Amino acid sequence: NAGVTQTPKFQVLKTGQSMTLQCAQDMNHEYMSWYRQDPGMGLRLIHYSVGAGITDQGEVPNGYNVSRSTTEDFPLRLLSAAPSQTSVYFCASSYSSRVYEQYFGPGTRLTVT
Amino acid sequence: DAKTTQPPSMDCAEGRAANLPCNHSTISGNEYVYWYRQIHSQGPQYIIHGLKNNETNEMASLIITEDRKSSTLILPHATLRDTAVYYCIVSLGGINTGTASKLTFGTGTRLQVTL
Repeated sequence: NAGVTQTPKFQVLKTGQSMTLQCAQDMNHEYMSWYRQDPGMGLRLIHYSVGAGITDQGEVPNGYNVSRSTTEDFPLRLLSAAPSQTSVYFCASSYSSRVYEQYFGPGTRLTVT
Repeated sequence: DAKTTQPPSMDCAEGRAANLPCNHSTISGNEYVYWYRQIHSQGPQYIIHGLKNNETNEMASLIITEDRKSSTLILPHATLRDTAVYYCIVSLGGINTGTASKLTFGTGTRLQVTL
């Protein structure tokens, strides 16, 4: 199993550009989520999904969109990048019966200039 | 979800036990205690969880006080590879729930294991 994979590993955007951060898992997990981590801070939940076709907002959803068309993939879309979105983004997945045991991807480092 | 309080940093000599405390005085009866760690720049890694009883797995032990207002994560023989930020999280079970499954990560305890 590859586990949770994220692409790209690094990305630099200009203010106003849009892009999609990719996340995929091959563990047949129902639950997937996106977090952001700013320097010196803990992780904050952006969006999550409990299954294909079902998504919900987390703590800091503004400026981000998600969709879940398949069990495996959960892309995060930045609509119009802002410097405040400079952060490390982590995707995670788990079984819905064991959401406390989330498996995290390696992260995407995003810089918005 | 109940809030947690952890010391910002701790040191531990390699080979000794690392005891990481966590206060969660507002924990409710159906909330679990979870521990994760984050090794430099990597995604967090689940360690262990518990409700009332002490728990042990291959990575660590979790001791929860009888009143459940605090807990301690114990790494019995710390190694340099255990240097990481350790997060104590209190949340509803996330067991067979979707809506109550969000984990809130604070700033954790930075554990430095030294020779």
